[in-house]
Amino acid sequence: DAGITQSPRYKITETGRQVTLMCHQTWSHSYMFWYRQDLGHGLRLIYYSAAADITDKGEVPDGYVVSRSKTENFPLTLESATRSQTSVYFCASKGDTEPYGYTFGSGTRLTVV
Amino acid sequence: SQQGEEDPQALSIQEGENATMNCSYKTSINNLQWYRQNSGRGLVHLILIRSNEREKHSGRLRVTLDTSKKSSSLLITASRAADTASYFCATDGAGGYNKLIFGAGTRLAVHP
Repeated sequence: DAGITQSPRYKITETGRQVTLMCHQTWSHSYMFWYRQDLGHGLRLIYYSAAADITDKGEVPDGYVVSRSKTENFPLTLESATRSQTSVYFCASKGDTEPYGYTFGSGTRLTVV
Repeated sequence: SQQGEEDPQALSIQEGENATMNCSYKTSINNLQWYRQNSGRGLVHLILIRSNEREKHSGRLRVTLDTSKKSSSLLITASRAADTASYFCATDGAGGYNKLIFGAGTRLAVHP
């Protein structure tokens, strides 16, 4: 199906474990983004990517790692999960022609215990 | 820190009434966008207004932008219960082009 998909939908992990959240888009959009959403903070940008093999930090990158070896995939890894990383994570993509709006995935609800 | 600040944080109205949400931002922008989020779901793009535009319409939505005041408003006319959601403004260009920075959102409740 065309679109942007995130997996898993829900994840519970233990403190200190590594966890990877997956994001896949089918449009070949150049730009992809990871946001986290916490109560009272709206969405905060973690990392973004302007193209394959090009990534850059957003507002809150500490504790996260990203990679983009293929245009369609943009995984987000928590190298050593902490309770403060309990959040809802959203992936988004945007085409690189007109200033179109972003398209968001359905989110991954991550709980670190 | 967040670029956009929405006002009010929460809004409760009756069906048929108009809902107005405001957004202020701090630095120069290329465009400003409004998104909607239903509870537990992803964000949906509603409308985009460029920095050289002052007003834009889409169906029951009307967005204004005042770059001199660094503010925008979203008006939803003739609201419906299905409009119940959180609404976010986001600015593009403040932290570098092609990075959206979001405000904390306005929670809208429309009662039948």
